[in-house]
Amino acid sequence: DAGITQSPRHKVTETGTPVTLRCHQTENHRYMYWYRQDPGHGLRLIHYSYGVKDTDKGEVSDGYSVSRSKTEDFLLTLESATSSQTSVYFCAISESSSLSGANVLTFGAGSRLTVL
Amino acid sequence: KNEVEQSPQNLTAQEGEFITINCSYSVGISALHWLQQHPGGGIVSLFMLSSGKKKHGRLIATINIQEKHSSLHITASHPRDSAVYICAVTSTGNQFYFGTGTSLTVIP
Repeated sequence: DAGITQSPRHKVTETGTPVTLRCHQTENHRYMYWYRQDPGHGLRLIHYSYGVKDTDKGEVSDGYSVSRSKTEDFLLTLESATSSQTSVYFCAISESSSLSGANVLTFGAGSRLTVL
Repeated sequence: KNEVEQSPQNLTAQEGEFITINCSYSVGISALHWLQQHPGGGIVSLFMLSSGKKKHGRLIATINIQEKHSSLHITASHPRDSAVYICAVTSTGNQFYFGTGTSLTVIP
């Protein structure tokens, strides 16, 4: 087991309600990412973090915020959920490979969010 | 414009067939990844490579850095290979770019 868990795994909510997804890792990796996956699109980066309290926006960050107060936790918040945010959300962690220096990416199991 | 393009988008094969999925990319990379996602499932890493070829069981991944192209081959395909295969790259700027995936169905 890669030591990355997401919660909740499934959530149904109504438009306008706040939603928080949690990603927890036990690998002590520096980098953490939130992606969304939608039909016809590749994985799209929402936000990422390169350390505690260090975060930056990805390509689809509008309507989302993140926080990382501890190395192991990366929270994704939808302040006021909309139907366009219905998606599967994946958290990922990465650390440099000792072989190539490139980052190895490990994914959580995904969180399926439905906004009615 | 996508930095990573995969082909085909969908692929149906008979059990036992040899399968090839292609990936082309347009950015400078430090590594290329092949990922597998079963229906309703999570995403797992199959290979990370930066040159040459890697083999794991019936799966083979190759990369041609000069041509910015990679292939994933599955020999003696089996219905349990049915999944979405995603090509991704780590750019030289340490960003990840993903293809839209190839949906493979292997029929018994």
